[in-house]
Amino acid sequence: QLVESGGGLVKPGGSLTLSCAGSGFTFSDAWMSWVRQAPGKGLDWVGRIKSKADGGTTDYGTPVKGRFTISRDDSKNMLFLQMNSLTTEDTAVYYCNTDPVWGQGTLVTVSS
Amino acid sequence: DIQMTQSPSTLSASVGDRVTITCRASQNINSWLAWYQQKPGRAPKLLMYKASSLESGVPSRFSGSGSGTEFTLTISSLQPDDFATYYCQQYNSSPLTFGQGTRLEIK
Repeated sequence: QLVESGGGLVKPGGSLTLSCAGSGFTFSDAWMSWVRQAPGKGLDWVGRIKSKADGGTTDYGTPVKGRFTISRDDSKNMLFLQMNSLTTEDTAVYYCNTDPVWGQGTLVTVSS
Repeated sequence: DIQMTQSPSTLSASVGDRVTITCRASQNINSWLAWYQQKPGRAPKLLMYKASSLESGVPSRFSGSGSGTEFTLTISSLQPDDFATYYCQQYNSSPLTFGQGTRLEIK
């Protein structure tokens, strides 16, 4: 399973880091992704990090490129999403996933 | 970025109906397409991958087809549990992109 944490209220221009704890599968072998969903809207792919065996590289969706950073700590089965320069457009439920497993999501609200 | 366009945006149907949702890609994505089902307040659930492969545990009334730029998800006989929103996603190239979703509602 996957369990996200770290969501909350942050002011525009601020930063926040989300965490995702994995269990029940070989975390180090998994390509891990973040997907978000703004209130009442569709799914938006945030980005992913490949397994270290596959290079450990990251890719990002266009709206977050240059502002968000995905990292992982395989020793702790943890995935992270560092979010900087947040705007109200980043308000969403953020899910971590490695298909077919999804977390329950954590809500990030960007508001003054 | 590859644009994914689903149609229709909303579909009204009855239990027992056969329904089809279409997903079109703005460029060739081969068969690198997944379908997800999402219910309100819940995380998405993977239904299909590689366009036509059924995820383990998903009922066989779900099927997928297509390759290149045009894809379909078909539910052969709608059940009450199937009323939800459906999304396609291409994973042929980064950034991965989703369709805007198709809401399947009870007629």
